Amino acid sequence: DAKTTQPPSMDCAEGRAANLPCNHSTISGNEYVYWYRQIHSQGPQYIIHGLKNNETNEMASLIITEDRKSSTLILPHATLRDTAVYYCIVLRYYGSSNTGKLIFGQGTTLQVKP
Amino acid sequence: DADVTQTPRNRITKTGKRIMLECSQTKGHDRMYWYRQDPGLGLRLIYYSFDVKDINKGEISDGYSVSRQAQAKFSLSLESAIPNQTALYFCATTDRTETQYFGPGTRLLVL
Repeated sequence: DAKTTQPPSMDCAEGRAANLPCNHSTISGNEYVYWYRQIHSQGPQYIIHGLKNNETNEMASLIITEDRKSSTLILPHATLRDTAVYYCIVLRYYGSSNTGKLIFGQGTTLQVKP
Repeated sequence: DADVTQTPRNRITKTGKRIMLECSQTKGHDRMYWYRQDPGLGLRLIYYSFDVKDINKGEISDGYSVSRQAQAKFSLSLESAIPNQTALYFCATTDRTETQYFGPGTRLLVL
C-alpha cells in the first residue's frame, strides 16, 4: 500500500475551514484514500474516503488532485470538537478478499483555537 | 448503544498473568480486527478475522492470541503479560466499503 506524508501539526481558528493536506505520490490506480481522526485516545473515527472524484459528506469534503498524488481534507467550519489527530491512509480495495489492513502513520494534529 | 464495545475499559495486571480483552459488535460485520497503540504512535495490527473460521496474524502477533467465538465476538488474549504490552488496545469491524468502526479502547497496564 502507498505511503502517505502529512504535516505533523496545524492550527485553525474556530469557525474557519480547516484544510489538511496529504501526499501519496506512489498511489496506484486501485487504491483509495481514506481519512480517519482520533480524538484524544478515543477509537479512531472514519471521516470520508474516495478514489478519484471529490467527495462530500456531512462531516467533510475530500479533494483529490487529478493525478491522484495528493489530496486535501476540508472541514468547512471547524469547531473546538474537531481538535484531533487526522490520519490519511491509502488502501487497496480488493473487494471481498481485501484484508482491510489500515496502516496508520503519524497523522496531523489539528488544533482548533477559539 | 455503541456498535462496537470493549471490556474492560481499563486493566492493570502483573507480569506473567494471563488476561483476556473482549470485543463485541452489533453491526453484523464479518470482519473484525485488534490493534494496539503506543503513546505518540499510530495503530498497529495484531490479529484480524474475516469470519468465525478465519483468523490471521497481523504485523505484531507475537505474545498474543485470539478467539472468534461468534460473528459478533472477537477476544484478544495475552498468555503471559509483559510490561512492553502496556498499551491502548482497539477492536474494530469493517463493512464492505472497507470503512472501519472502532471500539472505545482498552487501556492496559502491565506491571
